Amino acid sequence: DAKTTQPPSMDCAEGRAANLPCNHSTISGNEYVYWYRQIHSQGPQYIIHGLKNNETNEMASLIITEDRKSSTLILPHATLRDTAVYYCIVRVDGNNRLAFGKGNQVVVIP
Amino acid sequence: DAGVTQSPTHLIKTRGQHVTLRCSPISGHKSVSWYQQVLGQGPQFIFQYYEKEERGRGNFPDRFSARQFPNYSSELNVNALLLGDSALYLCATSRQGEETQYFGPGTRLLVL
Repeated sequence: DAKTTQPPSMDCAEGRAANLPCNHSTISGNEYVYWYRQIHSQGPQYIIHGLKNNETNEMASLIITEDRKSSTLILPHATLRDTAVYYCIVRVDGNNRLAFGKGNQVVVIP
Repeated sequence: DAGVTQSPTHLIKTRGQHVTLRCSPISGHKSVSWYQQVLGQGPQFIFQYYEKEERGRGNFPDRFSARQFPNYSSELNVNALLLGDSALYLCATSRQGEETQYFGPGTRLLVL
């Protein structure tokens, strides 16, 4: 499975858009980009996923570069409840195992 | 619809004992996967079951086993517990074997 690289931590201002980067330079054509987040001591929460096109749902937007080597998760209006570890994962089509890294500890600051 | 449920929420065992953890999937979900998350790390894949058959296994010793029942619920069993088995055990379910997984709250196991 392709590996991902995320910053270990970042701070975001409450009410502002939070842009969370992820590099996946070895991604293959059949690998999806998935984003989960984990609030302290809870199970990971699914946020969004995509293959080639940008995606948006009620939680976030996912922007994937044209070469698919990187992506950005956008939380449009960060709130204190968005403080969590965010995981960027690439998943091979046909393979249901998620390979989590250490993620990006995002802290939303008032 | 209810989300993924896991029981118990917390458990304390001693070395050498055996433990059984349980997971009930979201209604309509037929695939169950188990993950282990030790403190400070991301979850690590242990098993996937789909339609009651094992479809994938991570790099875990044979002390770890699982099964899936006709109602698609699942059990994770760990024998001969070691201190290093202390972790948050997560269950994730999906409609089929290859779709988005939704996680339960986890069972926190402490081995003394």
